[in-house]
Amino acid sequence: EIVLTQSPATLSLSPGERATLSCRASQSVSSSLGWYQQKPGQAPRLLIYDASNRATGIPARFSGSGSGTDFTLTISSLEPEDFAVYYCQQRSNWPLTFGGGTKVEIK
Amino acid sequence: EVQLLESGGGLVQPGGSLRLSCAASGFTFSSYAMSWVRQAPGKGLEWVSAISATGGSTYDADSVKGRFTISRDNSKNTLYLQMNSLRAADTAVYYCVKSKGAAGTFDYWGQGTLVTVSS
Repeated sequence: EIVLTQSPATLSLSPGERATLSCRASQSVSSSLGWYQQKPGQAPRLLIYDASNRATGIPARFSGSGSGTDFTLTISSLEPEDFAVYYCQQRSNWPLTFGGGTKVEIK
Repeated sequence: EVQLLESGGGLVQPGGSLRLSCAASGFTFSSYAMSWVRQAPGKGLEWVSAISATGGSTYDADSVKGRFTISRDNSKNTLYLQMNSLRAADTAVYYCVKSKGAAGTFDYWGQGTLVTVSS
């Protein structure tokens, strides 16, 4: 099973700041990695797929990069609605796995 | 508009069974792989099971293998999850999820149905 480790667990930032979230895989997943946003009481939402492709309707301030074992989700300038939990997920190997999540909170 | 509407959740005793359903609309259901993903209270996301577009292939997490069965009825645009031998650790919100093209990228999620396993 591929283990995804997200860091940091919590990121405390102010609106307008840049957020950088990391996801590290225990073995290579090539570019088969996605990012999801989840707000309290809501279902997750796909942000980025295949490491760097924005999903439909996702603002340009969200970007993804990386390949192999190291991936990054960047939010260029935090909007109030971006404070949430973010998960990475790999689809390279079965079983599909998620990272433990990074909570982006208001500082 | 893509819609995924789960039903069938509820309270069940340990060792019991439950069947979840997910009614899909707004897309050609028979063309896409589907999955169930769960989230225990206050915890992260866990993929549970996946099924190919035709239903010919299924995949399960080790934690549910031999106890849960995913299936689909493409004539009814409905996804199912039969859950047997339920344990307290299975308590979670269960999400029905559509795959985007390649299986394993989850582009649409239902609102979830809560399953509580408790005596």
